[in-house]
Amino acid sequence: EVQLVETGGGLIQPGGSLRLSCAASGFTVSSSYMSWVRQAPGKGLEWVSVIFSSGITHYADSVKGRFTISRDNYKNTVYLQVNSLRAEDTAVYYCARDVMEATGHWGQGTLVTVSS
Amino acid sequence: DVVMTQSPLSLPVTLGQPASISCRSSQSLVYSNGNTYLNWFQQRPGQSPRRLIYQVSNRDSGVPDRFSGSGSGTDFTLKISRVEAEDVGVYYCMQGTHWYTFGQGTKLEIK
Repeated sequence: EVQLVETGGGLIQPGGSLRLSCAASGFTVSSSYMSWVRQAPGKGLEWVSVIFSSGITHYADSVKGRFTISRDNYKNTVYLQVNSLRAEDTAVYYCARDVMEATGHWGQGTLVTVSS
Repeated sequence: DVVMTQSPLSLPVTLGQPASISCRSSQSLVYSNGNTYLNWFQQRPGQSPRRLIYQVSNRDSGVPDRFSGSGSGTDFTLKISRVEAEDVGVYYCMQGTHWYTFGQGTKLEIK
Protein backbone atom coordinates (compact mmCIF):
# COMPACT_ATOMS: atom_id res chain seq x y z
CA GLU A 1 0.00 0.00 0.00
CA VAL A 2 1.31 3.42 -0.95
CA GLN A 3 1.72 5.75 2.00
CA LEU A 4 3.23 9.21 2.51
CA VAL A 5 3.78 10.48 6.04
CA GLU A 6 4.87 14.08 6.58
CA THR A 7 6.60 15.15 9.78
CA GLY A 8 8.71 18.02 11.00
CA GLY A 9 6.19 20.82 11.27
CA GLY A 10 5.78 22.98 14.33
CA LEU A 11 5.88 26.48 15.74
CA ILE A 12 8.90 28.46 14.60
CA GLN A 13 9.89 32.10 14.94
CA PRO A 14 10.21 34.36 11.91
CA GLY A 15 13.62 33.91 10.32
CA GLY A 16 13.92 30.37 11.62
CA SER A 17 14.38 27.07 9.81
CA LEU A 18 12.78 23.66 9.74
CA ARG A 19 13.27 20.45 7.83
CA LEU A 20 10.08 18.74 6.74
CA SER A 21 10.21 15.03 5.99
CA CYS A 22 8.01 12.87 3.82
CA ALA A 23 8.52 9.18 4.48
CA ALA A 24 7.29 7.00 1.65
CA SER A 25 6.30 3.36 1.62
CA GLY A 26 4.92 1.08 -1.05
CA PHE A 27 7.00 2.65 -3.83
CA THR A 28 10.43 4.12 -4.47
CA VAL A 29 10.77 7.91 -4.30
CA SER A 30 13.72 7.87 -6.69
CA SER A 31 11.50 6.46 -9.46
CA SER A 32 8.73 9.03 -8.98
CA TYR A 33 8.53 12.80 -9.03
CA MET A 34 7.78 14.16 -5.62
CA SER A 35 6.21 17.50 -4.84
CA TRP A 36 5.42 19.69 -1.89
CA VAL A 37 2.18 21.66 -1.88
CA ARG A 38 1.03 23.98 0.89
CA GLN A 39 -2.20 25.51 2.11
CA ALA A 40 -2.30 28.55 4.34
CA PRO A 41 -5.13 28.64 6.90
CA GLY A 42 -8.43 29.31 5.15
CA LYS A 43 -6.71 29.70 1.77
CA GLY A 44 -6.28 27.70 -1.40
CA LEU A 45 -3.59 25.27 -2.51
CA GLU A 46 -0.16 26.47 -3.60
CA TRP A 47 2.43 24.30 -5.29
CA VAL A 48 5.86 24.78 -3.67
CA SER A 49 8.50 22.48 -5.13
CA VAL A 50 9.22 19.31 -7.11
CA ILE A 51 12.09 16.86 -7.45
CA PHE A 52 12.14 14.59 -10.47
CA SER A 53 13.60 11.10 -10.71
CA SER A 54 16.55 12.69 -12.53
CA GLY A 55 17.23 14.84 -9.49
CA ILE A 56 16.19 18.05 -11.23
CA THR A 57 14.36 20.40 -8.90
CA HIS A 58 12.06 23.38 -9.35
CA TYR A 59 10.53 25.91 -7.00
CA ALA A 60 7.70 28.40 -6.83
CA ASP A 61 8.95 31.99 -7.03
CA SER A 62 7.59 32.63 -3.53
CA VAL A 63 10.07 30.19 -1.97
CA LYS A 64 13.00 30.23 -4.40
CA GLY A 65 16.29 30.74 -2.58
CA ARG A 66 14.76 29.92 0.81
CA PHE A 67 13.45 26.36 0.40
CA THR A 68 15.38 23.29 -0.77
CA ILE A 69 13.90 19.96 -1.79
CA SER A 70 15.97 16.81 -1.59
CA ARG A 71 15.61 13.08 -1.14
CA ASP A 72 17.36 10.20 0.56
CA ASN A 73 16.97 7.11 -1.58
CA TYR A 74 18.14 4.78 1.19
CA LYS A 75 15.56 6.13 3.62
CA ASN A 76 12.99 6.46 0.82
CA THR A 77 12.26 9.93 2.15
CA VAL A 78 11.85 13.36 0.60
CA TYR A 79 12.74 16.52 2.50
CA LEU A 80 11.90 20.19 2.32
CA GLN A 81 14.41 22.43 4.06
CA VAL A 82 12.63 25.68 4.82
CA ASN A 83 14.80 28.65 5.79
CA SER A 84 14.26 32.34 6.48
CA LEU A 85 10.67 31.62 7.40
CA ARG A 86 8.06 34.36 7.19
CA ALA A 87 4.58 34.65 8.64
CA GLU A 88 3.17 34.01 5.16
CA ASP A 89 4.85 30.59 5.10
CA THR A 90 2.41 29.44 7.78
CA ALA A 91 0.55 26.55 6.18
CA VAL A 92 -0.11 22.86 6.09
CA TYR A 93 2.58 21.32 3.91
CA TYR A 94 1.57 18.28 1.87
CA CYS A 95 3.86 15.80 0.18
CA ALA A 96 2.64 14.30 -3.08
CA ARG A 97 3.78 11.62 -5.48
CA ASP A 98 3.37 11.89 -9.26
CA VAL A 99 0.72 14.58 -8.97
CA MET A 100 -0.35 14.40 -12.62
CA GLU A 101 -0.07 10.62 -13.16
CA ALA A 102 -2.21 7.56 -12.48
CA THR A 103 0.13 6.73 -9.59
CA GLY A 104 -0.62 10.03 -7.85
CA HIS A 105 -0.90 10.01 -4.07
CA TRP A 106 -0.96 12.66 -1.29
CA GLY A 107 -0.02 12.63 2.34
CA GLN A 108 -2.00 14.05 5.24
CA GLY A 109 0.21 17.09 5.75
CA THR A 110 2.24 18.73 8.49
CA LEU A 111 1.48 22.16 9.94
CA VAL A 112 4.12 24.87 10.01
CA THR A 113 3.29 27.94 12.08
CA VAL A 114 5.61 30.94 11.84
CA SER A 115 5.01 33.29 14.73
CA SER A 116 6.87 35.10 17.46
CA ASP B 1 3.01 31.79 -15.08
CA VAL B 2 -0.12 29.99 -16.16
CA VAL B 3 -3.20 31.36 -14.43
CA MET B 4 -6.07 29.00 -13.67
CA THR B 5 -9.47 30.65 -13.36
CA GLN B 6 -12.37 28.72 -11.85
CA SER B 7 -16.03 29.63 -11.99
CA PRO B 8 -18.20 29.91 -10.13
CA LEU B 9 -16.35 30.45 -6.86
CA SER B 10 -19.48 29.54 -4.90
CA LEU B 11 -21.90 26.84 -6.02
CA PRO B 12 -25.14 26.20 -4.09
CA VAL B 13 -26.74 22.99 -5.34
CA THR B 14 -29.88 21.09 -4.44
CA LEU B 15 -29.34 17.47 -3.42
CA GLY B 16 -29.78 15.15 -6.37
CA GLN B 17 -29.23 17.92 -8.91
CA PRO B 18 -26.24 18.19 -11.25
CA ALA B 19 -23.35 20.57 -10.71
CA SER B 20 -20.68 21.90 -13.02
CA ILE B 21 -17.42 23.75 -12.35
CA SER B 22 -15.40 25.47 -15.05
CA CYS B 23 -11.64 25.88 -15.10
CA ARG B 24 -9.87 27.98 -17.72
CA SER B 25 -6.14 28.28 -18.21
CA SER B 26 -4.26 31.28 -19.59
CA GLN B 27 -2.31 28.98 -21.93
CA SER B 28 -3.01 25.69 -23.65
CA LEU B 29 -2.38 22.73 -21.36
CA VAL B 30 -1.43 20.33 -24.15
CA TYR B 31 2.08 19.13 -23.39
CA SER B 32 4.70 18.31 -26.01
CA ASN B 33 3.99 14.58 -25.58
CA GLY B 34 0.34 15.11 -26.48
CA ASN B 35 -0.97 14.67 -22.93
CA THR B 36 -2.99 17.35 -21.17
CA TYR B 37 -2.09 17.72 -17.52
CA LEU B 38 -5.20 18.93 -15.74
CA ASN B 39 -6.35 17.52 -12.40
CA TRP B 40 -9.37 18.04 -10.21
CA PHE B 41 -9.23 17.83 -6.41
CA GLN B 42 -11.90 17.73 -3.74
CA GLN B 43 -11.29 19.03 -0.23
CA ARG B 44 -13.99 18.22 2.26
CA PRO B 45 -14.23 20.41 5.39
CA GLY B 46 -11.36 19.66 7.75
CA GLN B 47 -9.78 17.11 5.41
CA SER B 48 -6.75 16.93 3.15
CA PRO B 49 -7.22 17.34 -0.59
CA ARG B 50 -8.21 14.24 -2.52
CA ARG B 51 -7.57 13.91 -6.22
CA LEU B 52 -10.67 13.02 -8.19
CA ILE B 53 -9.56 13.31 -11.81
CA TYR B 54 -6.16 13.31 -13.52
CA GLN B 55 -5.23 14.23 -17.08
CA VAL B 56 -8.62 15.83 -17.78
CA SER B 57 -10.92 12.84 -17.61
CA ASN B 58 -9.40 9.89 -15.75
CA ARG B 59 -11.14 9.09 -12.48
CA ASP B 60 -8.99 8.05 -9.56
CA SER B 61 -9.62 4.73 -7.84
CA GLY B 62 -12.60 4.85 -5.51
CA VAL B 63 -14.08 8.03 -7.00
CA PRO B 64 -17.81 7.64 -7.69
CA ASP B 65 -18.76 7.64 -11.34
CA ARG B 66 -21.06 10.61 -10.79
CA PHE B 67 -17.85 12.68 -11.08
CA SER B 68 -16.58 13.30 -14.60
CA GLY B 69 -14.01 15.57 -16.18
CA SER B 70 -13.87 16.91 -19.70
CA GLY B 71 -12.33 19.61 -21.82
CA SER B 72 -9.34 20.41 -23.94
CA GLY B 73 -6.82 23.13 -24.65
CA THR B 74 -7.69 25.87 -22.18
CA ASP B 75 -11.26 25.02 -21.13
CA PHE B 76 -12.08 22.26 -18.68
CA THR B 77 -15.12 21.15 -16.69
CA LEU B 78 -15.82 19.00 -13.66
CA LYS B 79 -19.36 17.65 -13.55
CA ILE B 80 -21.23 15.95 -10.77
CA SER B 81 -24.26 14.19 -12.19
CA ARG B 82 -26.26 14.10 -8.94
CA VAL B 83 -24.93 15.95 -5.93
CA GLU B 84 -24.89 14.10 -2.62
CA ALA B 85 -24.36 15.51 0.86
CA GLU B 86 -20.82 14.10 1.02
CA ASP B 87 -19.83 16.24 -1.99
CA VAL B 88 -19.81 19.43 0.08
CA GLY B 89 -16.40 21.03 0.07
CA VAL B 90 -14.00 23.00 -2.08
CA TYR B 91 -12.97 21.84 -5.55
CA TYR B 92 -9.70 22.84 -7.18
CA CYS B 93 -8.34 22.41 -10.65
CA MET B 94 -4.59 22.10 -11.11
CA GLN B 95 -2.43 22.26 -14.21
CA GLY B 96 0.88 20.44 -14.57
CA THR B 97 1.87 21.31 -18.13
CA HIS B 98 3.69 24.55 -17.40
CA TRP B 99 5.08 23.64 -14.00
CA TYR B 100 2.15 23.63 -11.58
CA THR B 101 -0.68 26.00 -10.74
CA PHE B 102 -3.97 25.67 -8.89
CA GLY B 103 -7.25 27.40 -9.46
CA GLN B 104 -8.74 29.53 -6.67
CA GLY B 105 -11.21 26.88 -5.61
CA THR B 106 -14.98 26.51 -5.90
CA LYS B 107 -16.99 26.05 -2.74
CA LEU B 108 -19.89 23.65 -3.23
CA GLU B 109 -22.68 23.78 -0.69
CA ILE B 110 -26.11 22.28 -0.41
CA LYS B 111 -28.94 24.70 -1.07
